[in-house]
This record gives sequence, C-alpha cells and structure tokens, in this order.
Amino acid sequence: AQSVTQLDSQVPVFEEAPVELRCNYSSSVSVYLFWYVQYPNQGLQLLLKYLSGSTLVKGINGFEAEFNKSQTSFHLRKPSVHISDTAEYFCAVSGVKAAGNKLTFGGGTRVLVKP
Amino acid sequence: DAGITQSPRHKVTETGTPVTLRCHQTENHRYMYWYRQDPGHGLRLIHYSYGVKDTDKGEVSDGYSVSRSKTEDFLLTLESATSSQTSVYFCAIRGDSATIANYGYTFGSGTRLTVV
Repeated sequence: AQSVTQLDSQVPVFEEAPVELRCNYSSSVSVYLFWYVQYPNQGLQLLLKYLSGSTLVKGINGFEAEFNKSQTSFHLRKPSVHISDTAEYFCAVSGVKAAGNKLTFGGGTRVLVKP
Repeated sequence: DAGITQSPRHKVTETGTPVTLRCHQTENHRYMYWYRQDPGHGLRLIHYSYGVKDTDKGEVSDGYSVSRSKTEDFLLTLESATSSQTSVYFCAIRGDSATIANYGYTFGSGTRLTVV
C-alpha cells in the first residue's frame, strides 16, 4: 500500500518569488514519483517524474524536484513564479513492479500567484 | 491528450439512473485506469484494467463497475447514480515500456458528471 501527503492545501505567492510545494509519501516498495499540474477546468499535465538515477529532476516550465529517499519526500520548487503558474499541483506515487502499478495521488496544492 | 479520449465531456443525470462513461485509447496500451477527482481528495482510483477482461478494484469502487471487452475501450458504469457520485472522472493509460525513460501515465481530458 502507498500514500501521499501534500502538506499545504494552498500556497499564495507573489510573482517572481520562489515557491516550494511539499510532498511526502509512504510505500512498502520502491517507488516512481510524479508531479502533475492542473490549470482551471483542464486535465492533468505531467511536470516531471523521478524513475531512477539523479535525485534532482528537472521538468517543464522551470520546475524541479528532489527525491529524498531517507525522508520519503519529493518536494517541487520553482525559483521565480509567473502569474501563469496559478494552478493546482498534484504529487503522485507508483510502486515499482507493484500489482497494476497504480498511481496514488496526494490531495493537491493550490498555488495562487499574486502580482 | 493524444491517444486518449473520454466521452461524454459533460453529463447531467438524475438520481437512480444508470450512467456509462467511455474511455477510448489508440495507443494499444495494456493498462487503463478510472479516477474521480473531488476537492481536497486529489484523484482517487475507482477501477483499473491490466488487459482485456482483466479488471480490479481501486480504493473507491463501491457503486461503480467497469468493463473492457477490447484493448482500446474501458467503460465505467454507475448502475444507479447518486449525488455523492457527482465528480470529475478521469481516465488514464499506461503502457508496458521496455525503456524506463518512457514510463508514464497519460490522462484524458475528463468527464464532468452531475447527479441531480
């Protein structure tokens, strides 16, 4: 079984400021990790993923995340946000070689970028 | 998104009526999933399929059934819709990739279902 906790349900941030979205997971097996973004009234778009290798993962739109196995975390960061980054962000985990490789999501973090 | 479509995009139905949502893929992927999205809960897995006629339950399967008679289609049925099933439903697909770099899930655009 696996679970994901996104520690902040809402994050207000000023334009051009940095942002960090926190994600912790629990799993009895090795995991793959993902961050998705959802803009208002749209579907989910993959921002980045960790499958193996370097623990620092770079994604689209200037986002990056770091996998920390000892702390079971996968926090998402962006050094300077834009108004267009206003969206909801989801962290998700999939167990490696687990039955069905089901993707389990956190509750989401809503980011509001203020001018 | 390329290769996966959901229908209908929007539906309003009455309590107690049956409803079927369709997910269609053109990627020939083995795995297909149905999720529902509700505020504060993220996306929760309803059912998934790992091949034709092979399905299994997710964490919120009560009140839902699925069928997969062809690789490309995965149907989600609400036998008797209730107001608690008002939600946005997403379908996802994932292939067996020999290259780990290609491992990933592709989501459809969603179906907004309102049960009145």
